[in-house]
Amino acid sequence: DSGVTQTPKHLITATGQRVTLRCSPRSGDLSVYWYQQSLDQGLQFLIQYYNGEERAKGNILERFSAQQFPDLHSELNLSSLELGDSALYFCASSAGDSNYGYTFGSGTRLTVV
Amino acid sequence: AQSVTQLGSHVSVSEGALVLLRCNYSSSVPPYLFWYVQYPNQGLQLLLKYTTGATLVKGINGFEAEFKKSETSFHLTKPSAHMSDAAEYFCAVSGDNAGNMLTFGGGTRLMVKP
Repeated sequence: DSGVTQTPKHLITATGQRVTLRCSPRSGDLSVYWYQQSLDQGLQFLIQYYNGEERAKGNILERFSAQQFPDLHSELNLSSLELGDSALYFCASSAGDSNYGYTFGSGTRLTVV
Repeated sequence: AQSVTQLGSHVSVSEGALVLLRCNYSSSVPPYLFWYVQYPNQGLQLLLKYTTGATLVKGINGFEAEFKKSETSFHLTKPSAHMSDAAEYFCAVSGDNAGNMLTFGGGTRLMVKP
């Protein structure tokens, strides 16, 4: 157990729907990062939050949004889902500066049918 | 902008043989470098990291990596492969962007033959 908790582990939904992925960071970590892992794109950085504030944005689609709550858990919202959004979504956390590495959760596997 | 290139998306070795996974990076500032391992249906686990200081870094499970600034490389090695080493390995770099997020290479799948 890495200490980073992601729920749900698996999600199957239809095109056009909206889903919410949840992440609880490791105790004491203030930064949360979201990554998408797919066969054709590899590991793509989506977005980072630090202590409730958006810190950096990667290749995140406009249909996707995220937030970090006062208790530091984070949610990634994916809407108007398309088949191509099927992927593994990882959350990672770090104490602050990621220059010492992240701790990853076990991921949420999203399948859009 | 920082980037990582992992040469060879698939590497196959025999059990007991040397493991060498290649990683080259690009960064305009002194980099922080990482190797992560991903077993099937699991998240990424940190194997080792280079921040500053000694350029030969030892990690878990007998792996080590050497930072070579002149070659912009951070290759991962293990003297003797074990069946349990079969997994996907990712090299990553940070330090050259706002938020200091990690940029990952495309990954190398290591297969170990008995």
